[in-house]
Amino acid sequence: GQNIDQPTEMTATEGAIVQINCTYQTSGFNGLFWYQQHAGEAPTFLSYNVLDGLEEKGRFSSFLSRSKGYSYLLLKELQMKDSASYLCAVRDGNAGNMLTFGGGTRLMVKP
Amino acid sequence: GAVVSQHPSRVICKSGTSVKIECRSLDFQATTMFWYRQFPKQSLMLMATSNEGSKATYEQGVEKDKFLINHASLTLSTLTVTSAHPEDSSFYICSARDPAGGRYEQYFGPGTRLTVT
Repeated sequence: GQNIDQPTEMTATEGAIVQINCTYQTSGFNGLFWYQQHAGEAPTFLSYNVLDGLEEKGRFSSFLSRSKGYSYLLLKELQMKDSASYLCAVRDGNAGNMLTFGGGTRLMVKP
Repeated sequence: GAVVSQHPSRVICKSGTSVKIECRSLDFQATTMFWYRQFPKQSLMLMATSNEGSKATYEQGVEKDKFLINHASLTLSTLTVTSAHPEDSSFYICSARDPAGGRYEQYFGPGTRLTVT
């Protein structure tokens, strides 16, 4: 099975930087995804990491350390519209590449 | 990116009736589709994996006779909630895997909000 942990809630200020951590345990790691989900909507893809290191995409970056079972999503220059839930999901190559989601982190951006 | 649609987006039904939700991949062929359920302020929980032309694989605790899944074509999977009860009220989300997608991303549909009265 898999165990994926991320903080339940975070609060940050508009214009600031926030880091959302995710730790995981899996036997057949085959990639880690970050999704953004606004209330009442489906998740939208943000980033994908399968090798160690940092992937940067505009204001969002994602980091992975496979040896530590650890990832983080970094959001820069926060905007009010970034208020959403951020889901960490791990793909298990031993389970048909199935995705398992963490509980999600609800981020509130304040003015 | 690839597009996945779901229909209906919202549905209200009476307890004891059945509801069918459709999931379509619009611009790619999806051999595998996934059905998730999400309760308020909770994460997505995988219900079942649907493979075209074969029986769905259900996660532990999900009643296969209550949640009927049919993946009859490479672009369509349906989830039928039979004899719905108020506790089945939830946000149901499907996703489809594009085998030509390189990173094998799953593309999510917009979700269906089911309310059982």
